Parts: sequence; structure tokens; C-alpha cells
Amino acid sequence: QSALTQPPSASGSPGQSVTISCTGTSSDVGDYNYVSWYQQHPGRAPKLMIYEVSKRPSGVPDRFSGSKSGNTASLTVSGLQAEDEADYYCSSYGGSDNLVFGGGTTVTVL
Amino acid sequence: QVQLVESGGGVVQPGRSLRLSCAASGFTFSSYAMYWVRQAPGKGLEWVAIISSDGRSKYYADSVKGRFTISRDNSRNTLFLQMNSLRVEDTAVYYCTKDLTAWAFDRWGQGTLVTVSS
Repeated sequence: QSALTQPPSASGSPGQSVTISCTGTSSDVGDYNYVSWYQQHPGRAPKLMIYEVSKRPSGVPDRFSGSKSGNTASLTVSGLQAEDEADYYCSSYGGSDNLVFGGGTTVTVL
Repeated sequence: QVQLVESGGGVVQPGRSLRLSCAASGFTFSSYAMYWVRQAPGKGLEWVAIISSDGRSKYYADSVKGRFTISRDNSRNTLFLQMNSLRVEDTAVYYCTKDLTAWAFDRWGQGTLVTVSS
């Protein structure tokens, strides 16, 4: 199974919004609502930010939102803050007890 | 609080074996499927394996199928990953994770580094 496609980088000024795309196929993102997003700061373990396309775990600010259209999922970070600068990874269930991740997007707060 | 603590990483030669452990606490370990996810240095995340809560069902990424074995001991709240026939491309930080819902990992260990090198 191929990795999901994410842009290598994205950026925005404090207070602005940034949206990261995650493109898969009709066999993964397009077929299941098991899309998750993770934030990872350097040297740290990933943190779950969004699950099941658009749900936020307890403690995740509502500045983070997720959506999906067809084979592409998206993560939007509104009201960018300095601490949002990190790598972001999407993942999707791909059927047959298999999970695929995206290649990751580095978000820079200008 | 939930804690996952991996151990067993290190430097190993290609073709050799290594066994990772993950000690879990702060939740009912026997009620959750558990997973291993790895990250090669400077690279992205890669799912490795999943084991059901009772240990009966196990699934693997194609890249490790036939070489790695996931297992668990619910009496000791411990997850394992037996890695055989290691390759240079298996070099990575290995994380054990639990899920919030299926395939969404809400708790991660600190990771243990496995380096495969001659």
C-alpha cells in the first residue's frame, strides 16, 4: 500500500489559518472514515489531534479541525500559534487490517 | 495516568534478532488492541503491527511480514515485538501505542531506537 500524499511544507503567520491536505485513494481515505492526524514536535512522540476524520480528542484545542472530500482529507489549524510549529502526519485505515501514513508536513509559523 | 515504556532497542548486525518490550500502566491493558509504529531517522511514521486485546489476532505491514512477531502478556501488562532477520532499513525509533478508537493512537511511548548496522 502506498503512503498517503501530503505537501512537504506549509506556513502561516500567527493568527492566520493553514490547511494541510492528505490525498489517498478509493481504497483508503475514500473508503473509510478512519482518518487521523498527528502532531509531532522534534524529538517527541506524535500526539493525536484528530480522529475519525473530524473528531478531536479531549484536550485538543478547537483551533484544529478535520474534514474529508472524496479521496482527500484535510487538517485546518486556525488562529496559528507559535506552538503549532511542528510536523503533521495523516493516517488512514486501508482495509485488510492495514494502516497507511502520509509522508508528513512541516508547518512553520512565520 | 497512562504510561507506555518501551525497552530493548540497541545496535544489532544485519540478519540478527532483537526483542522489544513495552510496559503498560494506567489503563486496562487487556481491553485494548495494541500497535507498534516506527519512524526511521528523519523520516515519517510507518505502522508495523497490531495485536488484538486477547492476543489471538495479529496483522503486519508487508515490510515486516514473516520476520517480525507481535505478542502480549496480559498478566504482565506487556507488549512485545520479536524482530528477526533484521535489515538496515529496519533502523528506526519503535513506538508502542494504544488506540482511542480503531486505528487512532492516543497514547504513545517515548520510543526505543533500533539501529541495524554492520
